[in-house]
Amino acid sequence: SQKIEQNSEALNIQEGKTATLTCNYTNYSPAYLQWYRQDPGRGPVFLLLIRENEKEKRKERLKVTFDTTLKQSLFHITASQPADSATYLCALDMSSENNNDMRFGAGTRLTVKP
Amino acid sequence: DSGVTQTPKHLITATGQRVTLRCSPRSGDLSVYWYQQSLDQGLQFLIQYYNGEERAKGNILERFSAQQFPDLHSELNLSSLELGDSALYFCASSTLYNEQFFGPGTRLTVL
Repeated sequence: SQKIEQNSEALNIQEGKTATLTCNYTNYSPAYLQWYRQDPGRGPVFLLLIRENEKEKRKERLKVTFDTTLKQSLFHITASQPADSATYLCALDMSSENNNDMRFGAGTRLTVKP
Repeated sequence: DSGVTQTPKHLITATGQRVTLRCSPRSGDLSVYWYQQSLDQGLQFLIQYYNGEERAKGNILERFSAQQFPDLHSELNLSSLELGDSALYFCASSTLYNEQFFGPGTRLTVL
């Protein structure tokens, strides 16, 4: 069955550094992959979508890569700030498998220390 | 503000009871998704509706059911509630590419 793994439960970095979060998946080839930010007690907020034919996508200080051969996406936050502290979720489009439309990883909790 | 509304914000009830959670999608979005998020588990996809029709089903228990009405709002019905059903329940609506906009959630506590 499909498995989505985000590299670690928690990641602590110093302000100003680049945070790199990993999302690995198995047994499936999604047409696209998404990244979301979730703050405690609130709903996830969409950040970026990257399609299978795109290698990289950027939005302000955010960068996402998608390697369909490695079945991996990397999510980078450059010049990180304490306000970037949150849980980041990757999500895969599963619409062609088992009628299960979207599947989310467990998330990585990022803490940026001043 | 995502444009997705959910009511109620909090719900406290007893085991064995039945509750209804309500969601209104963003204007123009036809898809509504329901998710459950508990402390020890991530975001679990429950069910999706598209323009009134069930489109995809995830890990939804038989005690749970949902529907989407002609005005596109959706309701999630949870019955015979158990302690383990305590969780945050999110509704989301989506664009054509499944970019999802989440509501603020309903926190359900079963005592």
